[in-house]
Amino acid sequence: EAQVTQNPRYLITVTGKKLTVTCSQNMNHEYMSWYRQDPGLGLRQIYYSMNVEVTDKGDVPEGYKVSRKEKRNFPLILESPSPNQTSLYFCASSFSRGGPSTDTQYFGPGTRLTVL
Amino acid sequence: GQNIDQPTEMTATEGAIVQINCTYQTSGFNGLFWYQQHAGEAPTFLSYNVLDGLEEKGRFSSFLSRSKGYSYLLLKELQMKDSASYLCAVRAWGAAGNKLTFGGGTRVLVKP
Repeated sequence: EAQVTQNPRYLITVTGKKLTVTCSQNMNHEYMSWYRQDPGLGLRQIYYSMNVEVTDKGDVPEGYKVSRKEKRNFPLILESPSPNQTSLYFCASSFSRGGPSTDTQYFGPGTRLTVL
Repeated sequence: GQNIDQPTEMTATEGAIVQINCTYQTSGFNGLFWYQQHAGEAPTFLSYNVLDGLEEKGRFSSFLSRSKGYSYLLLKELQMKDSASYLCAVRAWGAAGNKLTFGGGTRVLVKP
């Protein structure tokens, strides 16, 4: 089954304790991205990757890191989480960023993160 | 940057029709998407428009006017399961390739 998976689905942590949220897709997609979703603000892009070893900042990258060592995986790293990073996080993938007109993004199930 | 506006919330009755409007301002327009998102779940793709006009997919239709920076999603024969948020997203071509920007979403409540 074609899917995007994220782990963990729920996480409660404390300020300053490094954490990683994993994202994996089995559709051989080149393009992957991370979003955070907050009430009233919609989905905002944190980082994206156009292919292996190619990553770039989205609209709200501060406090986050990513890596893309393999095509299928795109982990999100919070080196020193703070309470303002409490949010619902979604990983998404698509064939390409500038690909076919109808190319849409497939979203993972989401990770609800609480930073105390 | 891009500016995408859609109403925050709408209420409608089961069996009725609801129209969700989305207005946007962007350069390098390259398509508009509508997604459905149930509470606590991932967004799922509903429709795509890149040319002016109406795209129909069963009970859902989406319309685009590029000159007006305007789109709407039409939901017909509303069912209780249609209670969800509907996200308008605009794709635009920039220096780093296409970028997808989401509006804040419209929460639709379907009442019996």
